[in-house]
Amino acid sequence: GAVVSQHPSWVICKSGTSVKIECRSLDFQATTMFWYRQFPKQSLMLMATSNEGSKATYEQGVEKDKFLINHASLTLSTLTVTSAHPEDSSFYICSASRGLRQPQHFGDGTRLSIL
Amino acid sequence: ELKVEQNPLFLSMQEGKNYTIYCNYSTTSDRLYWYRQDPGKSLESLFVLLSNGAVKQEGRLMASLDTKARLSTLHITAAVHDLSATYFCAVVFQYSGGGADGLTFGKGTHLIIQP
Repeated sequence: GAVVSQHPSWVICKSGTSVKIECRSLDFQATTMFWYRQFPKQSLMLMATSNEGSKATYEQGVEKDKFLINHASLTLSTLTVTSAHPEDSSFYICSASRGLRQPQHFGDGTRLSIL
Repeated sequence: ELKVEQNPLFLSMQEGKNYTIYCNYSTTSDRLYWYRQDPGKSLESLFVLLSNGAVKQEGRLMASLDTKARLSTLHITAAVHDLSATYFCAVVFQYSGGGADGLTFGKGTHLIIQP
């Protein structure tokens, strides 16, 4: 159990486009979902944490209006990169957790390339 | 602010040799994770260490935790080529929002095992 599906796996789009990434927990209910960003050959950096039914909490330096997060149900969270620019190109990984002190289960990641 | 330092960041070794990756963290935490990442892929969970003195082993990998020293090690025994990957340690920090716990990752150790 504990499968997390992330979609799409690869996106290439023009500068100025908005891109939505979905993260679904397929076989469990995720109280909390996390969004990470990973630049090439670097570590994962937490962008934001979302709890079902409430507003996401963003890490310092992450623009709320740029990266819109919605966690409308216990099995789905979405990250929308609005008006994407080349510097937003990165590998975005979501994870889902059943709750406090529970492990995070990671999606397969989305590679975003903005031309 | 929680800091997680891994070393070495890059390691090239021959098959059959033993080596250890170190993970130091700056503030108290009650859980530490080790993950493996293959190129272009998401994270694969290897170990979770929950208490001082915890030791876990899976195949040629063994992880240990010393909470007093704030140090975890990942030991590789008789390395084989298939273990080539990037290895991350990650430490739980307490998320003030009351949901599940966020992770702070080390920079990763890029491991190449040569035949």
